Amino acid sequence: DQQVKQNSPSLSVQEGRISILNCDYTNSMFDYFLWYKKYPAEGPTFLISISSIKDKNEDGRFTVFLNKSAKHLSLHIVPSQPGDSAVYFCAASAGNNDMRFGAGTRLTVKP
Amino acid sequence: SAVISQKPSRDICQRGTSLTIQCQVDSQVTMMFWYRQQPGQSLTLIATANQGSEATYESGFVIDKFPISRPNLTFSTLTVSNMSPEDSSIYLCSVVSWGKNTEAFFGQGTRLTVV
Repeated sequence: DQQVKQNSPSLSVQEGRISILNCDYTNSMFDYFLWYKKYPAEGPTFLISISSIKDKNEDGRFTVFLNKSAKHLSLHIVPSQPGDSAVYFCAASAGNNDMRFGAGTRLTVKP
Repeated sequence: SAVISQKPSRDICQRGTSLTIQCQVDSQVTMMFWYRQQPGQSLTLIATANQGSEATYESGFVIDKFPISRPNLTFSTLTVSNMSPEDSSIYLCSVVSWGKNTEAFFGQGTRLTVV
C-alpha cells in the first residue's frame, strides 16, 4: 500500500526558474512531513520539513507547502540551480513509529 | 544528528548466496530501520530493528529472507539470503530523531547486484 505518492518520476527545469515537486499521501494520521535529497551513491539527506500544524515552511531557496484537506504537499525551489539536480523524496510519519517515503522525483536543472 | 556508517557500499553476488550489510551509528538509538529502493521504486521499509527484541517486518518481507541482528544500541545487520536477481537493489539503514524537529538519518546505502 503506497501511502506516500510522488506521481512525477522526473522534472526538468531551466536554471533560475522555479522547481515544484509534488507529493500526495493517503494516511490522515500523518502529522509530520519531510523532503530528502539524494545524489547517486549517497544516502538521502534531509532538506526541509513541516509539521501538520503549519501550512508553509521556508528555508532559503526551499519552501514546503502543506494542504491537509487535499493531503498534498509540495516543495518549491527558487531559483533552481544545477547543483539541485538530484532525486527528491517526500516522506511522512505518524507519531514515533516509522517513516514512509514516496518513489522520488528526479530533478534536472539545466544551465 | 547521527552519523551512520554502512558497508559494503556495493557488491555483486552470485544467485543463491547471502550478503550481510552492516550499519554502525555514532550514538545509541532505540530503533533502526532498514529500507530497500528498487530501480524506479520508493524507499520501501523492510523492517524495524529494536535492540533486545525480534525485528518487526513489513508486509511482503519475512525473517527467513531478511534476517536482522541488533546486538546493541549502535549496530545492526541485515542479511539478504538465498539471493536472486530480483533482490538487486539499494539497501539503506536509517535512524530517526523524534521530537520537535523529527529527522531521519541514513547510511550511504549498499548497491547490491545479483547475477
